[in-house]
Amino acid sequence: DAGVTQSPTHLIKTRGQQVTLRCSPKSGHDTVSWYQQALGQGPQFIFQYYEEEERQRGNFPDRFSGHQFPNYSSELNVNALLLGDSALYLCASSPAGSGGSYEQYFGPGTRLTVT
Amino acid sequence: GQQLNQSPQSMFIQEGEDVSMNCTSSSIFNTWLWYKQDPGEGPVLLIALYKAGELTSNGRLTAQFGITRKDSFLNISASIPSDVGIYFCAGHFYQGAQKLVFGQGTRLTINP
Repeated sequence: DAGVTQSPTHLIKTRGQQVTLRCSPKSGHDTVSWYQQALGQGPQFIFQYYEEEERQRGNFPDRFSGHQFPNYSSELNVNALLLGDSALYLCASSPAGSGGSYEQYFGPGTRLTVT
Repeated sequence: GQQLNQSPQSMFIQEGEDVSMNCTSSSIFNTWLWYKQDPGEGPVLLIALYKAGELTSNGRLTAQFGITRKDSFLNISASIPSDVGIYFCAGHFYQGAQKLVFGQGTRLTINP
């Protein structure tokens, strides 16, 4: 049973560029959440997707956007990259029918470095 | 906003010792979750708690949901080298909340 997968593993971008990160949820999960984890900090919630719509959003600017596909996989897009966007980006999926996202299972993350 | 204060920030112990860490909030939380994160990896769910007063074990790990719903603790008994890592508490602020709020983490180091 495959867990949550993310791609790519590492990414280096230049300020002002745009980036797309991808996530495939755990089998049987229909809800995907994205988190940003700065070095030495706990993960911070970006947003969550359910039924191909953004269900809740954290305190992140509009430069951060996402999408969920019919197969429940998801993308995180970040435009106009800033140096401060350098972080580990984590995707988490939740079981179908949970009514929420109480138990979230994380992928290995994508390490984004902005230079 | 909702914040979780986790303590201690770091622990240095001998192999075989028991470990205790806790998480507190000024707000009531609806659920408490404990995760472990190894370097370069994503957090791994250890224990999930749903009811005030609930005490749940997972092998050598035991966690409790505080009666006031504003705190939780995690105990690890008879620590072993693979317990090394960063432990995070996390919770949902209210029923139906989608986002998990995380603590700052407790870094556990074990001397063999």
